[in-house]
Amino acid sequence: DVVLTQTPPTLSATIGQSVSISCRSSQSLLHSNGNTYLNWLLQRPGQPPQLLIYLVSRLESGVPNRFSGSGSGTDFTLKISGVEAEDLGVYYCVQSTHAPYTFGAGTKLELK
Amino acid sequence: EVQLQESGPGLVKPSQSLSLTCSVTGYSITSNYWGWIRKFPGNKMEWMGYISYSGSTSYNPSLKSRISITRDTSKNQFFLQLNSVTTEDTATYYCARYYYARFAYWGQGTLVTVSS
Repeated sequence: DVVLTQTPPTLSATIGQSVSISCRSSQSLLHSNGNTYLNWLLQRPGQPPQLLIYLVSRLESGVPNRFSGSGSGTDFTLKISGVEAEDLGVYYCVQSTHAPYTFGAGTKLELK
Repeated sequence: EVQLQESGPGLVKPSQSLSLTCSVTGYSITSNYWGWIRKFPGNKMEWMGYISYSGSTSYNPSLKSRISITRDTSKNQFFLQLNSVTTEDTATYYCARYYYARFAYWGQGTLVTVSS
């Protein structure tokens, strides 16, 4: 199975601060069709996960553009440019290039 | 608007079967892929499997001998059955729609506790 390693496990930020989360894969997530199936999700307390980013860098409809995704192959990054209070929760990367689909262990974003 | 809602028992005894229903409104399950994902106490998430628009299935090999995902297109519902559960199957279970590379729509989740 593909292992996704997220760092850091916990992130403390102040409102307005920019932060980044890393997701490294144990093998390339580039599919033979040329797509890279890497999503970023946010789970707020008591809520189901919400899709933020798909195909590495495409912003899901309705998601604020302070969220951005980048990367290729095995190294991916989610950046939040100016944390807001509503951004607190656990962030996950998830890959669907290789079966079985797998998730990172999560990064908890807290207020400093 | 697409909505998904899980339902089923919140408590299951060890060695018994866990059965959950996902009711979908706003979109037909005869399109796209419909899956089950669970979140264990702590943050660990596990993709369990999906049923496709055609009714074909794909399962996580770690569960393959115990899991079954089926559907009732007339009711626009799909189902999870997990056999021979243990306390390690205690988790919040989510149903979700997967389309065009996106885990875009999720149910609210239902907590299932395995305990005698």
